[in-house]
Amino acid sequence: DAGVIQSPRHEVTEMGQEVTLRCKPISGHNSLFWYRQTMMRGLELLIYFNNNVPIDDSGMPEDRFSAKMPNASFSTLKIQPSEPRDSAVYFCASRGTVNSPLHFGNGTRLTVT
Amino acid sequence: QQQVKQSPQSLIVQKGGISIINCAYENTAFDYFPWYQQFPGKGPALLIAIRPDVSEKKEGRFTISFNKSAKQFSLHIMDSQPGDSATYFCAGRGVGGGGADGLTFGKGTHLIIQP
Repeated sequence: DAGVIQSPRHEVTEMGQEVTLRCKPISGHNSLFWYRQTMMRGLELLIYFNNNVPIDDSGMPEDRFSAKMPNASFSTLKIQPSEPRDSAVYFCASRGTVNSPLHFGNGTRLTVT
Repeated sequence: QQQVKQSPQSLIVQKGGISIINCAYENTAFDYFPWYQQFPGKGPALLIAIRPDVSEKKEGRFTISFNKSAKQFSLHIMDSQPGDSATYFCAGRGVGGGGADGLTFGKGTHLIIQP
């Protein structure tokens, strides 16, 4: 099992540019979560999907953020336009059943200059 | 609204000592309380978890103590080792938590075990 795979590992971009973060969940997992981690706010849930359907996106900070899950093996988190305050580590996590643990990817460190 | 409050923010313990990290929660609908361990450059990974119907759970050197009436739980690491140096997150899960089905995390404790 390769675990949750995120790409890229690091992304440096200029303010105003579009950023797309990618995630491949563990095969067979039904739920996928996007988190953002910062020193100030810790781990924040942005959005989660069940069976490819967005269930709760109340954590998405602004309309500049969007997430899609076109199929069970792929999800994207897009920021357009990006701003310096979006700089953080973004984690994708997946889970099988409700009672099984979350499995996190190794994250994408985003720096917006 | 911070639903899970974690303390301390950072902790230094001598090798062989006991590390204690505390969490308090507000949401009485939480039904599952995991602890996650995160090493630099890695994602958090489940360490140990407890449900509110028991007061203690032990796995090796790691123990969760749970006080339902006080809405508090803590992680104890016995015989702490330098390899335990990491950031630890407590969390609660349940309706009203992180997206109704996700986890609400504490802000983390940066633990350093000095050799």
